[in-house]
Amino acid sequence: DAGITQSPRYKITETGRQVTLMCHQTWSHSYMFWYRQDLGHGLRLIYYSAAADITDKGEVPDGYVVSRSKTENFPLTLESATRSQTSVYFCASSESRQGYNQPQHFGDGTRLSIL
Amino acid sequence: AQTVTQSQPEMSVQEAETVTLSCTYDTSESDYYLFWYKQPPSRQMILVIRQEAYKQQNATENRFSVNFQKAAKSFSLKISDSQLGDAAMYFCAYRSVASGTYKYIFGTGTRLKVLA
Repeated sequence: DAGITQSPRYKITETGRQVTLMCHQTWSHSYMFWYRQDLGHGLRLIYYSAAADITDKGEVPDGYVVSRSKTENFPLTLESATRSQTSVYFCASSESRQGYNQPQHFGDGTRLSIL
Repeated sequence: AQTVTQSQPEMSVQEAETVTLSCTYDTSESDYYLFWYKQPPSRQMILVIRQEAYKQQNATENRFSVNFQKAAKSFSLKISDSQLGDAAMYFCAYRSVASGTYKYIFGTGTRLKVLA
């Protein structure tokens, strides 16, 4: 089925470990986004990508790395996890037709707990 | 920089009644898009309704409608005939047109409880 898929849905890891969250979309959307959701903060943008091999920082990029070698995949890596990165992470994608009101489509989220 | 404010952390409504969730935003741009997303306990982010700033007519989707006041920079969501399934977190989001980045700026959310 077409859509946007995040994996894993739940992850528990320890501080200092590297962890990668996966995001895959089948729409061939140009834009992809990573958000973190924390109580009292809503969703905050970590990184986004306008196309393959084009990425840019969002509001809270520190401690995260992204890549986009293929249009459909946009993995998010925590190189050395810290407890402050415990959160729910959402991936989203959007078309890029200028002047057209395209909404973002979200994955189901990954709940990441860092002990 | 643009900001989005949802001043009601939590709201309650009786089933079949009407409730309005408020959202205000700050921007110097004249053209932009506004959205309301619903997040039920399943954690999915579901698009409820969208509004183009250049359109004066308020958007409507079945029981959901908005009151868009551009001069006041207000974008409230009205839910009519509330149902138990409407219980969720609701997020207001702003997207710039001019920047071309398609980034959203989200409010902090309003948790809606529906009482049977």
